[in-house]
Amino acid sequence: QKEVEQNSGPLSVPEGAIASLNCTYSDRGSQSFFWYRQYSGKSPELIMSIYSNGDKEDGRFTAQLNKASQYVSLLIRDSQPSDSATYLCAVLKAAGNKLTFGGGTRVLVKP
Amino acid sequence: DGGITQSPKYLFRKEGQNVTLSCEQNLNHDAMYWYRQDPGQGLRLIYYSQIVNDFQKGDIAEGYSVSREKKESFPLTVTSAQKNPTAFYLCASTRGLAGASGNNEQFFGPGTRLTVL
Repeated sequence: QKEVEQNSGPLSVPEGAIASLNCTYSDRGSQSFFWYRQYSGKSPELIMSIYSNGDKEDGRFTAQLNKASQYVSLLIRDSQPSDSATYLCAVLKAAGNKLTFGGGTRVLVKP
Repeated sequence: DGGITQSPKYLFRKEGQNVTLSCEQNLNHDAMYWYRQDPGQGLRLIYYSQIVNDFQKGDIAEGYSVSREKKESFPLTVTSAQKNPTAFYLCASTRGLAGASGNNEQFFGPGTRLTVL
């Protein structure tokens, strides 16, 4: 079992719809969770961080964390073609000083 | 203009050569990291450093070396011992020690794409 798992996709959504991305992790003691967006050929860009159970909203993005079920999700509302990218989930384990990344979910937003 | 810079953007290496990738940050961040990304894959940690003159191996350190002589600089050397070095190399930094909420958001440089000829 991978430490951080994501569906590789592609997740195809029509423009204006909600894109829903999921990430599960294996270390129950993980503390901090991050979502990065990575355009093809570019470096990852931090879009959300979440530390406690529940929802955190920032513009069109909502991160949801459920530590009991060991998953974190990202919702993208009103999806735009510019949201087409790979989204990386990253987890900071309890006993460590380094992030573990999932393989990423590729999102395609179709006009 | 604060940020992380990496150079060069593209690098070509002949087999048997050592090459050094540069990473500089002016964010006054304590911790710095090097990752490798292969096509269609996630990021794998090579080395990281939380303080000057100290660094730790990540998950795939074999064939790589680093130094941290200055807070703002964390160069990575890809040695000839690294058998499959063609990849996208990413440098990142965090403000403080990971584990401290608010200090552990990690930011990335633009990357260096290394190709072995």
